[in-house]
Amino acid sequence: ETGVTQTPRHLVMGMTNKKSLKCEQHLGHNAMYWYKQSAKKPLELMFVYNFKEQTENNSVPSRFSPECPNSSHLFLHLHTLQPEDSALYLCASSVTQGENYGYTFGSGTRLTVV
Amino acid sequence: SQELEQSPQSLIVQEGKNLTINCTSSKTLYGLYWYKQKYGEGLIFLMMLQKGGEEKSHEKITAKLDEKKQQSSLHITASQPSHAGIYLCGADVTDTGNQFYFGTGTSLTVIP
Repeated sequence: ETGVTQTPRHLVMGMTNKKSLKCEQHLGHNAMYWYKQSAKKPLELMFVYNFKEQTENNSVPSRFSPECPNSSHLFLHLHTLQPEDSALYLCASSVTQGENYGYTFGSGTRLTVV
Repeated sequence: SQELEQSPQSLIVQEGKNLTINCTSSKTLYGLYWYKQKYGEGLIFLMMLQKGGEEKSHEKITAKLDEKKQQSSLHITASQPSHAGIYLCGADVTDTGNQFYFGTGTSLTVIP
């Protein structure tokens, strides 16, 4: 375990379903991130929360909706996804956004949209 | 186009051999990070480089950032099976830290 826990590890959902990914860290970090990793592509930064406030939204479609109720938890709500949204979704945390302390990643949720 | 090009894509070496992985950008890198991902696990932060010409070592792994801050190399000396995994470089391409990219990864296999 890296200190960042993601659940579920695997998720298969239909295009009309609504599901949520969860990320939790108790490292005392105050920045949390959602990344998407598609096959043979660099990781794509989706959302950034710094002190529970969203500071980045990299042109992510509205079918992905993040929620950060506190600095330890981050959710990614999914609805009406497309098959091309199938990917590994990684959550990460760091001490502060932009601070060069590196990131701690979770193991990811492998999402398959059918 | 990729912000960070990583090479090679995959590498198979005999235990005890040295190897180098490269990470190249067309932009100035304000922070260059090397990560390792063991299969099925999260990314593990290895090293961070910020200054041109900077070099850091940890155990048998050495990372360098060139003077122009556009290329980094990761060198493993006397590789061991425990070094196997996917190595990712990541970088801040702005000095404000609000644009972060990863390379495509290098899969390393070490044959005992």
